[in-house]
Amino acid sequence: KQEVTQIPAALSVPEGENLVLNCSFTDSAIYNLQWFRQDPGKGLTSLLLIQSSQREQTSGRLNASLDKSSGRSTLYIAASQPGDSATYLCAVTYSGYALNFGKGTSLLVTP
Amino acid sequence: GAVVSQHPSWVICKSGTSVKIECRSLDFQATTMFWYRQFPKQSLMLMATSNEGSKATYEQGVEKDKFLINHASLTLSTLTVTSAHPEDSSFYICSARVQGPDTQYFGPGTRLTVL
Repeated sequence: KQEVTQIPAALSVPEGENLVLNCSFTDSAIYNLQWFRQDPGKGLTSLLLIQSSQREQTSGRLNASLDKSSGRSTLYIAASQPGDSATYLCAVTYSGYALNFGKGTSLLVTP
Repeated sequence: GAVVSQHPSWVICKSGTSVKIECRSLDFQATTMFWYRQFPKQSLMLMATSNEGSKATYEQGVEKDKFLINHASLTLSTLTVTSAHPEDSSFYICSARVQGPDTQYFGPGTRLTVL
């Protein structure tokens, strides 16, 4: 089974800080990688999708990079806000198959 | 576009009863749907892969006779938890795969509590 690891498991930062969430995966033959946000007791919100041929994707204050050869991805959040507080999940897919999720990083941004 | 709905959003049932959860792709056809389960403070774990018109493929450790999956049309898959027990209490999320871009769209989830 492919493993997806996210570091750190939890993170608390003051508002305004830039931060980086890390994701690593054991099998580099991925089809794509996604970052999701999950609020407590809620479903998933897709933030960014990076195809295996891409190096990064950007959306607003979010930037995700992918280094397939080393099995790593990072999610960069600029100028964090309290509304960014949530659990961030990294998931990889191997063409046609289900997503393999990491355990997530629980982020708390304090005012 | 690409909206996936789930019904119900939450359900409470007595131990021993059966519960059906529906997953619908509202504006696209999904040949493949996936069912995931999430226990408190854990990540999503794949339970089964459901292909329209064929039997579901279950992950190791998931009882196919307990978690019945039906994918009768290209827009609807159902998960029935039979003879539910308190340990089945969890958050169940479905996703629908869109061919071409090969991406998945997730439903909002169903929280099941078995008393």
